[in-house]
Amino acid sequence: DAGVIQSPRHEVTEMGQEVTLRCKPISGHNSLFWYRQTMMRGLELLIYFNNNVPIDDSGMPEDRFSAKMPNASFSTLKIQPSEPRDSAVYFCASSLEGQGIYNEQFFGPGTRLTVL
Amino acid sequence: GEDVEQSLFLSVREGDSSVINCTYTDSSSTYLYWYKQEPGAGLQLLTYIFSNMDMKQDQRLTVLLNKKDKHLSLRIADTQTGDSAIYFCAESTPNRDDKIIFGKGTRLHILP
Repeated sequence: DAGVIQSPRHEVTEMGQEVTLRCKPISGHNSLFWYRQTMMRGLELLIYFNNNVPIDDSGMPEDRFSAKMPNASFSTLKIQPSEPRDSAVYFCASSLEGQGIYNEQFFGPGTRLTVL
Repeated sequence: GEDVEQSLFLSVREGDSSVINCTYTDSSSTYLYWYKQEPGAGLQLLTYIFSNMDMKQDQRLTVLLNKKDKHLSLRIADTQTGDSAIYFCAESTPNRDDKIIFGKGTRLHILP
């Protein structure tokens, strides 16, 4: 299995532009998570989906952020308009609910976003 | 609410033992985890412990859980340069679907 796939790996954009981050979870996994990591705030959960349905989006910082999961194999995180304070590494992770013994989240390599 | 706290930095000499500590607030936590993040990569599960256990050993790794004090620790014996990474403490409970609460991570720096 290729693991969780994220694209792009690096994104540099100018303030005000729209940014779309993409994630392909591990095949068969039914939960998907978007995280943001910065030096100041560490790892923050933005939103998570179960069976393609958003379960908790309380971590989404503001209305400029939106996430979708149109099917079990694809999710997007969109920032519109982007601001310099959105610069961070964004991780997507997936897991299989009901594994029985414990929940292991599998993380993608991350997208490093720089907003100038 | 749910919270996981850990120190941000730890420096250890190569060959010594590293001990990374963590506290959590949710008394209903069922599983406690240690994830490892190497430079430029995502997090990867290192080990986990069920809440009814107080110790788990796996080669150079020893996890200790004090459920009464809600304290978790990770001991790495004979620390090597390859252990240099960020270590995240995390916990989950059955009533939170698959949501895992992560700490901010402890950056382990290995001194020669």
